[in-house]
Amino acid sequence: DGGITQSPKYLFRKEGQNVTLSCEQNLNHDAMYWYRQDPGQGLRLIYYSQIVNDFQKGDIAEGYSVSREKKESFPLTVTSAQKNPTAFYLCASTQTGKYGYTFGSGTRLTVV
Amino acid sequence: GIQVEQSPPDLILQEGANSTLRCNFSDSVNNLQWFHQNPWGQLINLFYIPSGTKQNGRLSATTVATERYSLLYISSSQTTDSGVYFCAVEGGSGNTGKLIFGQGTTLQVKP
Repeated sequence: DGGITQSPKYLFRKEGQNVTLSCEQNLNHDAMYWYRQDPGQGLRLIYYSQIVNDFQKGDIAEGYSVSREKKESFPLTVTSAQKNPTAFYLCASTQTGKYGYTFGSGTRLTVV
Repeated sequence: GIQVEQSPPDLILQEGANSTLRCNFSDSVNNLQWFHQNPWGQLINLFYIPSGTKQNGRLSATTVATERYSLLYISSSQTTDSGVYFCAVEGGSGNTGKLIFGQGTTLQVKP
């Protein structure tokens, strides 16, 4: 079955540590997105990529970095510069020109 | 940027009841989607509906683009309908798929 796989499901980060969240899709979608969700809030866009080797900042990109070396993969690194990283992170993909979003099951990141 | 407001923020229903969720947006949109987030965090796309009306089983949605609002109707609600419903839009002539989400409506359906 086609879909998006996010890993790990739960992640704990120590102060000053960088961590990388994985997002892999086998839907052959061109565009991929990273969103952050805080408790009781809607989703906010961190980064997005419409083609391989290209990506753009979203509304809250500070303290995060991404790469898009392969069409199916869009990893997100939460750097030590992100002062409040505890949140639920969701990856999504869509085919350019078509609007149905597919979301992964998310990664819950906690700072310890 | 474009603002998205959803109402009500919370809704409690008895199983079998009907409900209407509303999404207001502050500017013209070329992309409007409704999502359901289950209690485990999984988001499912319900409708892509920048204008007009669509139905899928017990759910239907209507967007009146000229008046900048969309409605999601849930009929004969079931406990499995519980969760958070999000409206998300992309404004103007953009075609990047960048969605701006509302704060959501949290629905609890009691047996």
